[in-house]
Amino acid sequence: SQQGEEDPQALSIQEGENATMNCSYKTSINNLQWYRQNSGRGLVHLILIRSNEREKHSGRLRVTLDTSKKSSSLLITASRAADTASYFCATALLNDYKLSFGAGTTVTVRA
Amino acid sequence: EAGVTQFPSHSVIEKGQTVTLRCDPISGHDNLYWYRRVMGKEIKFLLHFVKESKQDESGMPNNRFLAERTGGTYSTLKVQPAELEDSGVYFCASSQVARETQYFGPGTRLLVL
Repeated sequence: SQQGEEDPQALSIQEGENATMNCSYKTSINNLQWYRQNSGRGLVHLILIRSNEREKHSGRLRVTLDTSKKSSSLLITASRAADTASYFCATALLNDYKLSFGAGTTVTVRA
Repeated sequence: EAGVTQFPSHSVIEKGQTVTLRCDPISGHDNLYWYRRVMGKEIKFLLHFVKESKQDESGMPNNRFLAERTGGTYSTLKVQPAELEDSGVYFCASSQVARETQYFGPGTRLLVL
């Protein structure tokens, strides 16, 4: 079974609103990474948060990590049409090198 | 600095044929990974190279898949013979340090008919 699961599967918001998506995982991690994939394009790395960190920011993005609940959230503030994409969380386990991906959250930002 | 590049961007082949995918990692990145996403499913790990050595190939689906990284630079992933269920998007990623940020290429979209 997959390590990470995103919630919700899909999200539709108005431009200017905030978008929040969550990721839950099953086993202890070294770090958790968020990626974006625009339609038909490659994966773009957004943020890496380590297991000993609780919150990180990058521009309009804010990521939180709660290792006690084995969950992370990605907040996009003041969304733009260009934020329309699929967002994936990926976990790197403690004794492993590969990333385990969730199924992703599809975000649609309406103009 | 150039990112991870993959070739071809798309490939359409018939069942039973052979296809070879190429990945050029970011210069200086010793770690190279292959992943794939088949229709409707999540992105799954295939294998991991450190320089020219296979560190972990636990995700390779079967012996029809062969990955190489001669000289520790670019990598190839060959599927021979291709089956219908091999259709999907094959991603390559590289990282300077294992377990740190992995930078992904644009992917190769493979369609087996």
